[in-house]
Amino acid sequence: DAKTTQPPSMDCAEGRAANLPCNHSTISGNEYVYWYRQIHSQGPQYIIHGLKNNETNEMASLIITEDRKSSTLILPHATLRDTAVYYCIVRGTGANSKLTFGKGITLSVRP
Amino acid sequence: DTAVSQTPKYLVTQMGNDKSIKCEQNLGHDTMYWYKQDSKKFLKIMFSYNNKELIINETVPNRFSPKSPDKAHLNLHINSLELGDSAVYFCASSQEWDRGLFFGPGTRLTVL
Repeated sequence: DAKTTQPPSMDCAEGRAANLPCNHSTISGNEYVYWYRQIHSQGPQYIIHGLKNNETNEMASLIITEDRKSSTLILPHATLRDTAVYYCIVRGTGANSKLTFGKGITLSVRP
Repeated sequence: DTAVSQTPKYLVTQMGNDKSIKCEQNLGHDTMYWYKQDSKKFLKIMFSYNNKELIINETVPNRFSPKSPDKAHLNLHINSLELGDSAVYFCASSQEWDRGLFFGPGTRLTVL
């Protein structure tokens, strides 16, 4: 599975958009980009995933560059409850493909 | 209604003991997983079962044995517990391989 690179941390003001970057320059054509987050002491939570098109759901938007070498997770109106570690993961296809978590990025939302 | 549940939430035990952690999902998913999160917060996959069949088995000591009595349950049995087994263990499930995983609340295991 391809690896991802994320900054270790970032912060944003409550109510503003949080844009979390991720580099995955070695991604293969059939690999998906997944985003999860882990709020302190809880289990990881699935946010969104995509292959090459931009995706949006009730939690966030995922913007994938045309060359697929990077992506951005957008939380449109960050709240204090969005403070968490966010993981960008590249996953291959098939039932035996693994979801491998890296270090993630710690997002701190300030009042 | 809890989608993925684990019991117990906390488990404190002595070295050398045998313990089990239970996991149940009521989502009707076909695939279940066990992950381990160590003190440095790294999440690592241990096992994956699809329709009761083992499909992912990472380099985990054979003291760890997953058991899936049915599609809704994946239990983790650990023999001869060691200090290094102390961690938070997360169970998860998914409907298809390309869908999101739903994680349980975790079981914090402390080996003394």
